[in-house]
Amino acid sequence: GENVEQHPSTLSVQEGDSAVIKCTYSDSASNYFPWYKQELGKRPQLIIDIRSNVGEKKDQRIAVTLNKTAKHFSLHITETQPEDSAVYFCAAHHSNDYKLSFGAGTTVTVRA
Amino acid sequence: DAGITQSPRHKVTETGTPVTLRCHQTENHRYMYWYRQDPGHGLRLIHYSYGVKDTDKGEVSDGYSVSRSKTEDFLLTLESATSSQTSVYFCAISALASGSHTGELFFGEGSRLTVL
Repeated sequence: GENVEQHPSTLSVQEGDSAVIKCTYSDSASNYFPWYKQELGKRPQLIIDIRSNVGEKKDQRIAVTLNKTAKHFSLHITETQPEDSAVYFCAAHHSNDYKLSFGAGTTVTVRA
Repeated sequence: DAGITQSPRHKVTETGTPVTLRCHQTENHRYMYWYRQDPGHGLRLIHYSYGVKDTDKGEVSDGYSVSRSKTEDFLLTLESATSSQTSVYFCAISALASGSHTGELFFGEGSRLTVL
């Protein structure tokens, strides 16, 4: 099955700085890569996703890039704010089934 | 938030007892999933369902069974709970676009299970 690795496991940034989280996947047939954000005590929620036919996608302060050749994708958060503090999960979806494989998560702390 | 509820939200039980967690949706989505969340492991898929009475195993299915007799309900059962099954369990639903295998997952609020 698909194996998704996520780094770093924790990330502390100064408010206003950028944060980058990186993920690698093992199955070249994976074609959909969402990112979920989980605030403390809450449920995970989708914040952005990218499909394999796209190299980059941006939504306000967040962006995701995908390198299919290297089988890795990244989440970029610019101008971080305290409300960006959360756990972020990357995931990969194989083209032939109906389930996502998640990374282990990155705890992001934005320091005021 | 999508219409998805989990019950119970919190449960403490003893080793060897059976436990059933319920996921109920009002969205009429076809796909339903059970994940467990543990520190350092992220979200790991236990079982999923792609229709009434159609279920399949995920990556950590040992010790768990599921049933889906109605579109709106997906039950997760621990036949004989063990301490290693202490975790937070999330149900999720997904509406896949026609011809697509991918779609946003909507998660329930989670069920915290402690096995003593």
